[in-house]
Amino acid sequence: QAHLVQSVAEVKKPGASVKVSCKASGYTFTGYYVHWVRQAPGQGLEWMGWINPDSGETNSAPNFQGRVTMTRDTSISTAFMELTSDDTAVYYCARGINGWFDPWGQGTLVTVSS
Amino acid sequence: SSVLTQPPSVSVAPGKTARMTCGGYSTGKNSVNWYQQRPGQAPVLVVSDDSGRPSGIPERFSGSNSGSTATLTITRVEAGDEADYYCQVWDTSSDPLFGGGTKLTVL
Repeated sequence: QAHLVQSVAEVKKPGASVKVSCKASGYTFTGYYVHWVRQAPGQGLEWMGWINPDSGETNSAPNFQGRVTMTRDTSISTAFMELTSDDTAVYYCARGINGWFDPWGQGTLVTVSS
Repeated sequence: SSVLTQPPSVSVAPGKTARMTCGGYSTGKNSVNWYQQRPGQAPVLVVSDDSGRPSGIPERFSGSNSGSTATLTITRVEAGDEADYYCQVWDTSSDPLFGGGTKLTVL
């Protein structure tokens, strides 16, 4: 059964970057894109971008271009998302399959505080 | 910009049927996926490709897509169904697009 486990919550200072990890298990990591989705407090879901774990190719949403870097380490079946943002939010990874997202990671809360 | 429109809230009594809509962006021409997000939890896929039901999702959950509106229907609503529900399509740039979400309240 496919499963995604994300890194724990982080607190960062304004202007600093944060790197969130997403470890896959139960399926072939290189066979499916990994997507990242942001959710600000009390708000809806906002797609950030995807990475193809096989090739390393990435694509990010216009709102995040230049601020987000997506990478992967196939040896440990893990995708990473590094973001420079002053927004407190929960970041989710999700496996893309046939046009939908399933499963999702449990989410990583990134709190921005000086 | 592309917008998927969902009503902010829907309320239903236990045992009744809840219907949540999603429209505004060529939903009639695109497959629609639906996600349930219970408070404090990650989203879960409940309907794929307009009307598919993933493994483990109760038969009470169903989806349809006609004209310019997609609909998620939950029959025999239970207290545990109280959650936010999001629809999702792919836009002309081949990027995923989420609706604003509907909060389902079980009275």
